[in-house]
Amino acid sequence: EADIYQTPRYLVIGTGKKITLECSQTMGHDKMYWYQQDPGMELHLIHYSYGVNSTEKGDLSSESTVSRIRTEHFPLTLESARPSHTSQYLCASGGLAATQFFGPGTRLTVL
Amino acid sequence: QKEVEQDPGPLSVPEGAIVSLNCTYSNSAFQYFMWYRQYSRKGPELLMYTYSSGNKEDGRFTAQVDKSSKYISLFIRDSQPSDSATYLCSQTLTGGGNKLTFGTGTQLKVEL
Repeated sequence: EADIYQTPRYLVIGTGKKITLECSQTMGHDKMYWYQQDPGMELHLIHYSYGVNSTEKGDLSSESTVSRIRTEHFPLTLESARPSHTSQYLCASGGLAATQFFGPGTRLTVL
Repeated sequence: QKEVEQDPGPLSVPEGAIVSLNCTYSNSAFQYFMWYRQYSRKGPELLMYTYSSGNKEDGRFTAQVDKSSKYISLFIRDSQPSDSATYLCSQTLTGGGNKLTFGTGTQLKVEL
């Protein structure tokens, strides 16, 4: 079944740790996206990719980085986590007619 | 001024009611319009999408786009408790790399 997966679903980690949030999709889409969402706030685009070896920064400045070595895989990395990085991170892949399909999200808490 | 404005609610209705959810936007270049449903602690789920102005119906859901007034609506008929969620409107440009602009979402609660 075509789907989009994110791991871990929940992560609690100490300040200064390096973390990688995983995102994989089996939908065969070229476009992939990372959003950040705080409670009661709109989704903000932080990174996107149009295909392998393509990555761009989104509208919201983020200290995270991404890579796209394989079509189905779009991980997000924070080199040194801080409490200000506490948020929900949502990965999406882009289908036809500007539609996007979201994963379940990773809720990150940095202590 | 935000590009997309949406009343955050919460909106509370009885089961079986007709629900109207609305968004206004400022960028007249938006061409694709989408509604997403997001349950608590889950990712958004695509409900409806339309291109340019007009209506689109899918089961109990109807999406309307009025580009002249920059106003989009989602109607839910015969609302059910399972419809209780946050509804997000989003828009994008043609050729904009599918970068979506989201509203903050309207929280809906359908009560028995």
